[in-house]
Amino acid sequence: QSVLTQPPSVSAAPGQKVTISCSGSSSNFGNSYVSWYQQVPGTAPKLLIFETNKRPSWIPDRFSGSKSGTSATLDITGLQTGDEADYYCGTWDSNLSSGLYIFGSGTKVTVL
Amino acid sequence: EVQLVESGGALIQPGGSLRLSCAASGFTLSSYEMDWVRQAPGKGLEWLSYMSSGGNTKYYADSVKGRFTISRDNTKNSLYLQLNSLRAEDTAVYYCARESNGYAFDYWGQGTLVTVSS
Repeated sequence: QSVLTQPPSVSAAPGQKVTISCSGSSSNFGNSYVSWYQQVPGTAPKLLIFETNKRPSWIPDRFSGSKSGTSATLDITGLQTGDEADYYCGTWDSNLSSGLYIFGSGTKVTVL
Repeated sequence: EVQLVESGGALIQPGGSLRLSCAASGFTLSSYEMDWVRQAPGKGLEWLSYMSSGGNTKYYADSVKGRFTISRDNTKNSLYLQLNSLRAEDTAVYYCARESNGYAFDYWGQGTLVTVSS
């Protein structure tokens, strides 16, 4: 069971915005960056956001990340059919009993 | 172009062993921290193991500690994961991933499937 909690699913119409939350604790979000990954079923995960709010050069600015306290958020604006995928948050955790690096439980994004 | 290509996945009986390989190209493996991550069928991502760029520091998830071993061959620019005492719950697609800024995994391999079943 993941220690980073995400909603199982979110959905919206094309062009709309979705927000995916990722809830952690002080042992992880309290002192570490958050990353976000997109995974189209049957393919490898792809990095979307690093250092909580930065995008790799190949990721469009429709994707943005933020963090407040022990929660992080991924926003996807201008939703496109190609955004249908599973999304995972991830971070390092100083509580070693949790595992050194932890992923969120994952959120399936559906474009209506 | 940065590429990671895993190999070595197979159907293996419980209690068996397997070595997974991750061949890197487009960058020097020993200059980066590297990790292994797996995904059981229909499940989420699970981090397994970490190796520092110097190769001296290694970490493991509790679920695989004592059974899995991460290693590297700089001459072949390849990363490995030795899997011992395999269990049915180890059935998954195994990915190697390169660490970048802020402990993020910026490049992933395509994955290799390990199926543990009698």
